[in-house]
Formats: sequence, C-alpha cells, structure tokens
Amino acid sequence: GQQLNQSPQSMFIQEGEDVSMNCTSSSIFNTWLWYKQDPGEGPVLLIALYKAGELTSNGRLTAQFGITRKDSFLNISASIPSDVGIYFCAGQRETSGSRLTFGEGTQLTVNP
Amino acid sequence: DTEVTQTPKHLVMGMTNKKSLKCEQHMGHRAMYWYKQKAKKPPELMFVYSYEKLSINESVPSRFSPECPNSSLLNLHLHALQPEDSALYLCASSQPYQETQYFGPGTRLLVL
Repeated sequence: GQQLNQSPQSMFIQEGEDVSMNCTSSSIFNTWLWYKQDPGEGPVLLIALYKAGELTSNGRLTAQFGITRKDSFLNISASIPSDVGIYFCAGQRETSGSRLTFGEGTQLTVNP
Repeated sequence: DTEVTQTPKHLVMGMTNKKSLKCEQHMGHRAMYWYKQKAKKPPELMFVYSYEKLSINESVPSRFSPECPNSSLLNLHLHALQPEDSALYLCASSQPYQETQYFGPGTRLLVL
C-alpha cells in the first residue's frame, strides 16, 4: 500500500511566488526522487537524492533528503507558468529492492 | 542521453484485439520497468526486468505479457483487455538495483 504522505495535494499560486512541497513516511528511505509530470506525458526526473542531509539544486529547484531519512522536501523559487504540472516524490526503501514508492502527487497551478 | 522512447503514443483497441507496446532505451541500463498510471494518480509498478530476465511481476493479470528481447528493448503484449485497463502505460529504465529511474513519454491506451 501507499506509504508516502505527500503534501499539499494541490497549490494555486501567483507567478513569481516560491513553492514548497514535502513527502513524509514512517519508513526509512535510501533514495528520494522528485519528478514532474505534464498532462499526457511521462514523469521527468528533476532531482535525485542519495544521502541523508543532502541538499541539491537544479536551477530554481532545491530538494533535501531529511536527516531522519523519512522525509524530503522540494522548493521551487520564483515560479513561472511552465512550472504547472503534477510533482511526485518517490523513494526507495531499504527492503524494497527495485521498487519505488510514490507519493500521491502535488498539483501545481501558477497564475500569470 | 537520458531518453526512453515508447511507441505508439496512442492506442485504441477492442477487447478481442491483440496489440503490443514498445519501449527502447540507449543509456546502457540493464533494468527496465512497465508501469500503469491512471489519471492524477502515481504510477503503479507492473513488471521489472533485470539483465533481460523478469525479476518482478506485481500480480499482473495474464492478459498483459511482457517481453525483453534484448537489453535495449522492452515490449508489453496485450490480449483480451478490459475497459478498466485503459490508462497511460509507462516504461522506465535504470541501472540494476539503482533507484534512479528514467521514464518514457508513455502510451495512452483506450480499450473499448
């Protein structure tokens, strides 16, 4: 079953605002991945995190692997209209092998 | 090159048809995945191939039959599908036991 709690479920923001979303779990994860998915397309990998405490940036995006290994957040700074989409976190647990556990997604809407 | 390609992009089939979905990657990855995704939901794992051998079958009905002809190609053969099988079918690849999966654009399947 689903073991990742992703929040918020949806966000409506104005262009230029910063955005923050996170995923939490009661399980320990070895890897955290953040994907963005546009309608009708496949998820695109944004950031991959491999070590507890790791903070990684990709342009206006910043993500962190929580110290407890049970959470991760993604920040988007100075949002633009093309940031619209669904953002999924995904994690690989110690005992899950190749399986990724996905969050339910955060639907982001950016008003120009 | 982090591209995974999938064909066709769209497919409409009747419940008595036989069709195949194709996936190709040239990243040298030795693990390939099939996922099913319903609208606004996270991807659900169906099958995993590692070194061209089926390593995970998530109790998928036999009307879905995967095939991995070589390390770059992954097929999903469809037969006698049901309307509830209509979804976006995603292929992904990674290095074996590496969690960073790269997704293709998906095949939008409609079963009538």
